[in-house]
Amino acid sequence: DAGVTQSPTHLIKTRGQQVTLRCSPKSGHDTVSWYQQALGQGPQFIFQYYEEEERQRGNFPDRFSGHQFPNYSSELNVNALLLGDSALYLCASSLELGTGRAYEQYFGPGTRLTVT
Amino acid sequence: ILNVEQSPQSLHVQEGDSTNFTCSFPSSNFYALHWYRWETAKSPEALFVMTLNGDEKKKGRISATLNTKEGYSYLYIKGSQPEDSATYLCAFFGGSNYKLTFGKGTLLTVNP
Repeated sequence: DAGVTQSPTHLIKTRGQQVTLRCSPKSGHDTVSWYQQALGQGPQFIFQYYEEEERQRGNFPDRFSGHQFPNYSSELNVNALLLGDSALYLCASSLELGTGRAYEQYFGPGTRLTVT
Repeated sequence: ILNVEQSPQSLHVQEGDSTNFTCSFPSSNFYALHWYRWETAKSPEALFVMTLNGDEKKKGRISATLNTKEGYSYLYIKGSQPEDSATYLCAFFGGSNYKLTFGKGTLLTVNP
C-alpha cells in the first residue's frame, strides 16, 4: 500500500517564477491538505481539498493556489515566488469519515523549495 | 489566531531515561489533539489522535494524556532509546474548521 508521495523532492527557483508541486494521497484517501514548514516553525496550514474543491484556506495570499483531480491527487501552485516562500511543503491525506471532519493525517516526505 | 505551544523546545536525555513534554492549546472549540513523530529525512508519523477529556493513549513505550478543560496534553516516553530521537509535534483540531494548527515541536535527542 503506497503511502503519500510528493514530487519533486527538491526544487530551486528564482524570485518571480512560478512553481507546481504534486501530491498523490494514500490509497483510499479522499482529502488532501497542504502545509508550509519554514525553518524553526511548525507546519502552517495552506489549504485543504475535498471533492475537488478548496474547503478551507489558511492565512496565505492568493499567489498560493491548488487543485484536486478526480483521482484525489493534488497540486499546489505558487506564483510570483518570493525569497520567503523557501520552505518545506508537506502534503497530507486523510479520509473524510462522513461527519464533515478529517481525522488522522498521513504525511508525505515533503518538497524542499529554495527560492534564490 | 490559534496558539499551540510546545515545551521544551529541545531536550537531550540519556538512553534509558524517561521523559515528557507538554502541548498547550485553546480550551474552547476543542475537537481533537494530534501527536506526530517526525524523524529527520522522513515523513511526520501520527502517534495519537485524542478527542475526549481525560483520554490516555499508549503505543509501546510512548503514552499521552489529554486535559481539554485546561488545554494541555502530555507526551511521555518511558526508557528512551536512541531511535526515539525525533521532533514531536502536537496539533490542535478546532471545532469550527478543518485545519490542524501545529506547535513548533519538541526536538528530542537520546544519547546512547
